[in-house]
Amino acid sequence: KQEVTQIPAALSVPEGENLVLNCSFTDSAIYNLQWFRQDPGKGLTSLLLIQSSQREQTSGRLNASLDKSSGRSTLYIAASQPGDSATYLCAVSGDYKLSFGAGTTVTVRA
Amino acid sequence: DGGITQSPKYLFRKEGQNVTLSCEQNLNHDAMYWYRQDPGQGLRLIYYSQIVNDFQKGDIAEGYSVSREKKESFPLTVTSAQKNPTAFYLCASTRTGGAGTEAFFGQGTRLTVV
Repeated sequence: KQEVTQIPAALSVPEGENLVLNCSFTDSAIYNLQWFRQDPGKGLTSLLLIQSSQREQTSGRLNASLDKSSGRSTLYIAASQPGDSATYLCAVSGDYKLSFGAGTTVTVRA
Repeated sequence: DGGITQSPKYLFRKEGQNVTLSCEQNLNHDAMYWYRQDPGQGLRLIYYSQIVNDFQKGDIAEGYSVSREKKESFPLTVTSAQKNPTAFYLCASTRTGGAGTEAFFGQGTRLTVV
């Protein structure tokens, strides 16, 4: 059974600092990995999708890397802003479903 | 705009009552999913459907039922057999039922037992 872990559970940084969020998974036989953002009481917004054949994906200030062999992904957010405050979840794709981590809740202090 | 619409946003259930959560998508996606989210836990899969008129149980299907009569609709019924239904419910879709495609989510329904 795929287990997905996100550490730390919470993170607080001053505005302008770079954010590094970690995701690890136990079964390297994945099809893709997706990073999501969730605001309180809201649904999930897709940030980045990395196919299993890719090593990284970039969108604006966001960069995500994937090391399938070691079962790790890292989401980098450059020059954080208060608007980046949210919970970030990673999910790995198996045969028919996504397996989720519990998320990292980020607070960016102005 | 294409997307997934869940309704209602908030739902209250009395003991012994069945309630139905709506999920509609206009993305022309084949596959649809229902997840449950509890505080401090990752999302858990309840049911999924890869094509119309077909659906499969996920990891926590007990006490729930679904139907998939139309491509764009995948309603979830929380039955009285579900003993702890208070949670945040999220509907998702992917272009195909196969692995490797991007998942999109609705805004969720918060269900509370009163």
